[in-house]
Amino acid sequence: DAKTTQPTSMDCAEGRAANLPCNHSTISGNEYVYWYRQIHSQGPQYIIHGLKNNETNEMASLIITEDRKSSTLILPHATLRDTAVYYCIVRVESGNLIFGKGTKLSVKP
Amino acid sequence: DTAVSQTPKYLVTQMGNDKSIKCEQNLGHDTMYWYKQDSKKFLKIMFSYNNKELIINETVPNRFSPKSPDKAHLNLHINSLELGDSAVYFCASSPRLGGRWSYFGPGTRLTVT
Repeated sequence: DAKTTQPTSMDCAEGRAANLPCNHSTISGNEYVYWYRQIHSQGPQYIIHGLKNNETNEMASLIITEDRKSSTLILPHATLRDTAVYYCIVRVESGNLIFGKGTKLSVKP
Repeated sequence: DTAVSQTPKYLVTQMGNDKSIKCEQNLGHDTMYWYKQDSKKFLKIMFSYNNKELIINETVPNRFSPKSPDKAHLNLHINSLELGDSAVYFCASSPRLGGRWSYFGPGTRLTVT
């Protein structure tokens, strides 16, 4: 049980913002929200993580709701190279990431 | 200057054989992992190694054994290969146990015939 729910797939137009939602209604107070992505045939790549506050880095922004039951990963200007499976991860057992099924994002020209 | 490297990238072998996959990280990280991604694309943790000691061993068959000659290397040995072992195996490392900022290798696609 990955403890997260994500849409199976999403489409986004190139140059537009991609907003990827994630529900984690059973998250506990000390659990972080992590986002990774896996581009076809490559290893997963860390994107961003957060606890309570919104976070931004050079790759993306992470918006976490005040009750922490859901979050949204935002890619501000999606490119074709952002086509990938995006994983929202909350559950960490003994320090290990527990991956769910993720969202397959297709960025279209 | 690849951060996490794996060899080989592809491995095709017959049932019953013994094989190894090598992993090296040049990040100076303390913790290394092996993940398995099956045909349905589910990515599952297999092992974690912290400072050369196995600290978690998920419910994988004992035919699989991780071996770490030093902090920068974590090799995966598989004995008596079975058809169900066919998958992509990813090595990863992180600064410390906790999974944050994990860096993954490119993967090794194992096919057992």
